[in-house]
This record gives sequence, C-alpha cells and structure tokens, in this order.
Amino acid sequence: EAAVTQSPRSKVAVTGGKVTLSCHQTNNHDYMYWYRQDTGHGLRLIHYSYVADSTEKGDIPDGYKASRPSQENFSLILELASLSQTAVYFCASSTRGTTGQLYFGEGSKLTVL
Amino acid sequence: GNSVTQMQGQVTLSEEEFLFINCTYSTTGYPTLFWYVQYPGEGPQLLLKVTTANNKGSSRGFEATYDKGTTSFHLQKASVQESDSAVYYCVLAVSGSFNKLTFGAGTRLAVCP
Repeated sequence: EAAVTQSPRSKVAVTGGKVTLSCHQTNNHDYMYWYRQDTGHGLRLIHYSYVADSTEKGDIPDGYKASRPSQENFSLILELASLSQTAVYFCASSTRGTTGQLYFGEGSKLTVL
Repeated sequence: GNSVTQMQGQVTLSEEEFLFINCTYSTTGYPTLFWYVQYPGEGPQLLLKVTTANNKGSSRGFEATYDKGTTSFHLQKASVQESDSAVYYCVLAVSGSFNKLTFGAGTRLAVCP
C-alpha cells in the first residue's frame, strides 16, 4: 500500500491559472518535500517542511508556494502557472534523522498550455 | 554550492553485460553519497548509500565505490538483467543538511534481452 500518495496524477492547466498539487503520507514522517523533475536536470528541491504549519524554501522556490496544514499533508501551489512550470512533480517524506532516505510518491505530471 | 555531474545520459546493454556508471561531485562540506533508482511510472527509491567512512556500499547486486581524491562515485553491477532497466541518480547529501539532497541529471539504463 502506497505510503506517499499524490493527486492529481496528471493535470493540464492554462497559463495564468492556479494549480494545487496535493500530497498525503502515512509514514508518520516529520519531513516532507516537493521536487521537480525535468529531463537533463534530475530532481530539484522546490520547498520542504519539517513540521506542520511551517515551510522552507528549497533550491528553486520562485513561482511556487507550499502549505503544510498537518503532518500528513503537504501542498504545492502555483498561483500563476507558466509554460516553464510544465514538469513532473514529486512529493516525498522522510524521518528527522540522517539516513538520507526519502520515500517518494508516484509523481504528478503537470502540463501548462 | 553543491553539485553532482553524471555525464552518461543513456547506457544500453545486453543482459549479463557489465554495468559501470560514473558520477562526480563537488561540495565544501562533508559528503554522504547515494544512488537512487527510478523504475518506469514510479518515484525514485534508495538503492544504496556510501559514507566517507567506509568508501563502499552494495545492495541488490549493485556496488558503489567512493573516491575522495577524485571526488567520484561509481555504480557497477557484474551482470545486468532486463529488470534493471531504469534511471539511476547519483545523489549528494552534506553533513548538517541530510534532508536537502542534490540529485545528478540521471543515467537511463536500457537492458536488452
């Protein structure tokens, strides 16, 4: 049974529209993350959170907001979607420790037209 | 900042051939290195971890070796199978920031039966 679930799994949005990607984890993990995957760039960290009601900027936060209303839920918000935000987005969770092991969801493919 | 370079974008092998994927990294911190694997339609998952203390790691028939002198990190497998077809990511974590991973661009392995 998947421990990190993302919704929607696929979405087509219009330029300038608002997009919300949702993530839910049942791992009881403190940390949650949003990564973006682009061909040739691997995965890049957008936002992360280590506790509910608090979020931190990652390496490429511009154009994105995040929300962590509870330990289990973490959302990524694109207030004004742009063509350059077409990508696959992955949510992940991890423990507070130093294992470096992240547990990823299956990804959300976003196409902005 | 931290960076990871994987020069091999695509590797194509026949079953039972030897696999070698090279990765180099750059950091001013104290590194721990990982290989993550991503199968089609799934999120990445941890394959193995290597610390600078032990220089080597292995899992599921894969071996990784870390060379501090050349700041390189290799992944190898003696005999690949079609089921090994996936994208392999070299990943860097720095002491004190284990929850902020830096991913390489990935190497797509295609194994032909």
